[in-house]
Amino acid sequence: QKEVEQDPGPLSVPEGAIVSLNCTYSNSAFQYFMWYRQYSRKGPELLMYTYSSGNKEDGRFTAQVDKSSKYISLFIRDSQPSDSATYLCAMSASGGGNKLTFGTGTQLKVEL
Amino acid sequence: GAVVSQHPSRVICKSGTSVKIECRSLDFQATTMFWYRQFPKQSLMLMATSNEGSKATYEQGVEKDKFLINHASLTLSTLTVTSAHPEDSSFYICSARDWRIDTSYGYTFGSGTRLTVV
Repeated sequence: QKEVEQDPGPLSVPEGAIVSLNCTYSNSAFQYFMWYRQYSRKGPELLMYTYSSGNKEDGRFTAQVDKSSKYISLFIRDSQPSDSATYLCAMSASGGGNKLTFGTGTQLKVEL
Repeated sequence: GAVVSQHPSRVICKSGTSVKIECRSLDFQATTMFWYRQFPKQSLMLMATSNEGSKATYEQGVEKDKFLINHASLTLSTLTVTSAHPEDSSFYICSARDWRIDTSYGYTFGSGTRLTVV
């Protein structure tokens, strides 16, 4: 079993839709949770991050962490074609330079 | 914000030759850099952690003699793929820690290098 599971998609939605992206994990030591966006042939860029359980909102993006269920989510409201990319969840057990464990990424396409 | 420059973005080499990939932190010092490998539609797999002034720490299953990492300065780490073979063809990405940012999330990634071995 992989430490982090993520549905690879592809996920295709119409412009303006609400998108829900999810990851599950097995390592209960994970405390730091991140979402990265990766455009084709580019490196990942940090989109959202949260510590432990709870919600965090930034513009059209909301990140949720449920440590009891080992489940994290990223919601995108009013999705735009420019949101079309691969979204990777990542997590680490602690800060201070510990390595990240990534999900496989979900490919999202927002269509006009 | 923090910027990590990775060069080259794309390289094609013949089987048996070596290729060097550079990763530079442009506006911050990076004592630690990470090298990843990514296959199509797969996750980023950590290959090694590069520490300035000391030997790199390799992940299990990564050949140290094949993937040489040098972190000679606080702003530069290099990955050399030695005696490259077609199975080494992949997307290689580096990342660096910017300690000025929240220590838990201050990872900035380079734009990646697409290596094709023919």
